[in-house]
Amino acid sequence: EPEVTQTPSHQVTQMGQEVILRCVPISNHLYFYWYRQILGQKVEFLVSFYNNEISEKSEIFDDQFSVERPDGSNFTLKIRSTKLEDSAMYFCASTPEGVGYGYTFGSGTRLTVV
Amino acid sequence: GIQVEQSPPDLILQEGANSTLRCNFSDSVNNLQWFHQNPWGQLINLFYIPSGTKQNGRLSATTVATERYSLLYISSSQTTDSGVYFCAVGNQAGTALIFGKGTTLSVSS
Repeated sequence: EPEVTQTPSHQVTQMGQEVILRCVPISNHLYFYWYRQILGQKVEFLVSFYNNEISEKSEIFDDQFSVERPDGSNFTLKIRSTKLEDSAMYFCASTPEGVGYGYTFGSGTRLTVV
Repeated sequence: GIQVEQSPPDLILQEGANSTLRCNFSDSVNNLQWFHQNPWGQLINLFYIPSGTKQNGRLSATTVATERYSLLYISSSQTTDSGVYFCAVGNQAGTALIFGKGTTLSVSS
């Protein structure tokens, strides 16, 4: 069964450093998403991406965050200057279309900012 | 924005028992999904069910869109069913899912 792949599975970074989280969505999917989950809390929407541009972003997705689809297969989330409160599990997801299909989530990247 | 409330917050069962998890949402939706987050943190899509009833093995789900709730039924629970069950609904634009806080299920043998 096709799956969404995320790398790395764990990343530890110093506060103030830049991190890039990587995702390979399912190949024929058109919509891509990033969500995050702070430990023990609910899953929160960050950003959705379609046709090479952001289609929606939450209030969490401030100027420190950016997304990019650098080639035909990868989808990345960059955090420019990490803060302690950025520590969370970050999930990538994709769908064939925005509505009408279930999401397929990747296994997540656990980001720890120290 | 849409509010999603799940109940109960925690559920403890003996293996073999049945359970019903509930999801209430505050506005009409055209996208509702149930997910299982296993102890390793993976989010597994169980059902895409904006309305009607679906079944997959021991799991089934029903959404009554006009009354703004959805139910997830787990029959003959197994220890592997343990984890957190999330209900998520689509926002009006169809560009994001709004998650509830989840129901934490613990099944013991």
